[in-house]
Formats: sequence, structure tokens, C-alpha cells
Amino acid sequence: KAGVTQTPRYLIKTRGQQVTLSCSPISGHRSVSWYQQTPGQGLQFLFEYFSETQRNKGNFPGRFSGRQFSNSRSEMNVSTLELGDSALYLCASSPRVPELFFGEGSRLTVL
Amino acid sequence: KQEVTQIPAALSVPEGENLVLNCSFTDSAIYNLQWFRQDPGKGLTSLLLIQSSQREQTSGRLNASLDKSSGRSTLYIAASQPGDSATYLCAVSEGSGNTGKLIFGQGTTLQVKP
Repeated sequence: KAGVTQTPRYLIKTRGQQVTLSCSPISGHRSVSWYQQTPGQGLQFLFEYFSETQRNKGNFPGRFSGRQFSNSRSEMNVSTLELGDSALYLCASSPRVPELFFGEGSRLTVL
Repeated sequence: KQEVTQIPAALSVPEGENLVLNCSFTDSAIYNLQWFRQDPGKGLTSLLLIQSSQREQTSGRLNASLDKSSGRSTLYIAASQPGDSATYLCAVSEGSGNTGKLIFGQGTTLQVKP
């Protein structure tokens, strides 16, 4: 069974740009959660989707948004990028929370 | 506001040693606690999940305990091996537990020397 797939794995953007990250969950998993990992703040919860509905949201500004499609694939978007948005963005899918299966992440560098 | 703390931040031990990683949380009203492992540049792998009604869970050489009243959990690794070198994170979920929202500690980076 394929694991959680995140694309792209690495990307470099400049301040003010926007970025879209994609997450394909394990087949059959309907819940997808997103986390931001930085050296200073550690792992912080961004949002969670279940059956195309946002079920939970972390304490991040409105520049961070996400969505889930009918096939459970999820995307997150960050607009007007800031230097502090440089991080590893991790997606996790779940057959039943809180059992989470993480992808390898998308590493975003903002210059 | 729930806060999760892990001590020590880093640990280096010789191969074969038994070791304990510590995790503490400020609010005892947790639904469950999980221990994860993260290899450099990789995602997280769940090691053990302890429900709030449980005291411990075991998997192979790993044993995790939970004391809700004192707000503490420990991860015991027996007979450590170089392949155990990684960052270990604990995380709690609150409320009904019906959520993918976890609150993580900063992790303990373990190095096991051959």
C-alpha cells in the first residue's frame, strides 16, 4: 500500500509569492491533517480535513488555507509568503484519528 | 493552554544501553498520548499510542508509560542500537480525541554510538 505522498518535496520561493502544496493520502483514508515544522517552534498544527470539510484549524494567519477534494487529496496554500514561512510542511492521513500516517514533507524555503 | 515539554533535548549513549526519554504536559485532560520517531529530513512514524485510560504500551524494545495525574510520560528503549538514532517526539490530543490535531513537544534527539 502506497504511503502518504507530498509534492513538491522541495521548493524555493521569494517573499510575496504564493505556494500550493499537495498531499495524496493513503488509499481509504478520509482524514488529512497538515503541520508546519520549524527549528524554533517545532511541530504546529495547521488544519484538518475530513470528507472535504475543515474539521479543525490551528492558530495561523489567514494567509494559510487548505482544501480537500472528493478523492481525499488535499492542498494547502500560503499567500504573500514571508521569510518566517520557511519550514517543513507535513501532511498526515488517518483511517481513524488520532492514528496518523505522515508523509515525508514539503520543504519550503522563502528568500 | 496545553504545553508539552521533552527533556533532555539531546542524548548520546553507547550501543546496548537502556535509556529513558521524558515527556511532560501541563493539562492532564488529555485524550491520549503518542510517541513518534523522526529521521533527519523525513516524516514522522508513530511508535506507540497510549489511551488516557491506559498506563503503558509496549512494542518490541519500546515501552511507553503514562501518568495523567502527574502530567508525565516516559519512553523506555531497551538495549539501544545505532539504528535507534533519531528524534523522538511525544504528542497529546485533547477533548474527545476525535481529531488529527496533536500538540507536540520539541523532541529529544538521540544518538546511539556503535
